Amino acid sequence: QSALTQPASVSGSPGQSITISCTGGNRDVATYNLVSWYQHHPGKAPKLMIYEVTKRPSGISNRFSGSKSGNTASLTISGLQAEDEADYYCCSYASSSSLVFGGGTKLTVL
Amino acid sequence: QVQLVQSGAEVEKPGASVKVSCKASGYTFTSYYMHWVRQAPGHGLEWMGMINPSAGSTRYAENFQGRVTMTWDTSTSTVYVELSSLRSEDTAVYYCARVALGPFWHLDLWGRGTLVSVSS
Repeated sequence: QSALTQPASVSGSPGQSITISCTGGNRDVATYNLVSWYQHHPGKAPKLMIYEVTKRPSGISNRFSGSKSGNTASLTISGLQAEDEADYYCCSYASSSSLVFGGGTKLTVL
Repeated sequence: QVQLVQSGAEVEKPGASVKVSCKASGYTFTSYYMHWVRQAPGHGLEWMGMINPSAGSTRYAENFQGRVTMTWDTSTSTVYVELSSLRSEDTAVYYCARVALGPFWHLDLWGRGTLVSVSS
C-alpha cells in the first residue's frame, strides 16, 4: 500500500491561512470519504483534528477545516497560531479494510 | 478518565521479538477496535493493523504479515502487539489508537507511544 503524498513542509505567519494537501488514488482518497487528519507534536500522542473529510471532533477549533476534490484531500488552518506548529498527517481508508497514512507535513509558524 | 496507557520502552536485539501492551480505561473496551501505528525515526506514521476485541478478529497490514500478532485480554481491557524477527528498521515508536465499532475509520484516541529500539 503506497503512502499518501503530502508536502514535506509548509509555513505561514500568525493570523494567516495555510493549506496542506494529501494526494492518493482510486484505492483510497478518490473512492472513500474516510479521510482524517492528525496533529502531532513530537513526544506527544497524535490528535484527531478532522475525520470523514470535513467533520471536526468536539473541542477542535473551527479554524481547522477539511475538504476533498477527486484524489486530493486538504486541511486548511485559518488564523494561524504559534500552538499550531506541529506535524500533520492525513490518513485514508483503503480497500481491503486497511488504513494508509501520508508522509507527514511539518508546519512552521513564522 | 478515557485513556490508553502503553507499556514502557524496550531494547531488543536483531532477530528477537517484542511485545507492547496498551491498557484502555474510561470506556467500554469491546465497543472499539484497536489499531497499531508506528513511527520510525525521521519517518511518517505507518499503519500496522487492527484488532476487534468484541469479535476476536484481526487484520494486519501487508508489510507486517507473518511477523505481527495482535492479541487482547478483555478481563484487563488490554491489547498487545508482538513483532518478531526484529531488525534495525523496526526501531520506532509504537502507538495504539482506538476506532469506534461501525463504519468508522478515524483514530479518535491515541496512546502516548512505546519506543522500541533494535540494536546489537
